[in-house]
Amino acid sequence: QVQLVQSGAEVKKPGASVKVSCKASGYTFTSHGISWVRQAPGQGLEWMGWISAHNGITNTAQKFRDRVTMARDTSTNTAYMELRSLRSDDTAVYYCARDPSKITPGDCDYWGQGTLVTVSS
Amino acid sequence: DIQMTQSPSSLSASVGDRVTITCRASQSISRYLNWYQQKPGKAPKLLIYAASSLQSGVPSRFSGSGSGTDFTLTISSLQPEDFATYYCQQGHSTPITFGQGTRLEIK
Repeated sequence: QVQLVQSGAEVKKPGASVKVSCKASGYTFTSHGISWVRQAPGQGLEWMGWISAHNGITNTAQKFRDRVTMARDTSTNTAYMELRSLRSDDTAVYYCARDPSKITPGDCDYWGQGTLVTVSS
Repeated sequence: DIQMTQSPSSLSASVGDRVTITCRASQSISRYLNWYQQKPGKAPKLLIYAASSLQSGVPSRFSGSGSGTDFTLTISSLQPEDFATYYCQQGHSTPITFGQGTRLEIK
């Protein structure tokens, strides 16, 4: 069965960086994309960006373009999202989600369990 | 960016009720519209993709319709496990955007 297992909760100080991992299993990793979506406490869902696990091409929301790096390691079927220059309003649960397409972002059919990132001085 | 607006923002209903949630896009998105269910402390779960296709394993009481700018999610007979927050999401163009959510509560 498709599974996405994310790394554990993080507490960071303002200005620091965080790197969240997402290990995929149960499907052919390189046949799909991975989106990253975050959810601030009590708020809705916000799409951050997408990476093709096939060729590493990324598509990042303008809001995050200067602070986010997405990568994937096909040898371990793992996707990564790094967010830099953290601020208090980056406190959120960060999700990875599988996209059926490896060409362009669009859908999120399976989700990781989420990683809580807390930014606090 | 394409704005997605859901209505209502919250809804109280009883087990067995028929419920409809609407989602409007700020421009035409054809049928690139998905619906998700999220329960507290859990990740979202895909219910409906491409406006009206039922994701594998999702009960048939869930259905979706619409195209262009106006879409609906219908639950034909509410079950206790359906009380959750529902989000629409457009996959027509980036950035992918979600509606603000509809919280479905027990009356």
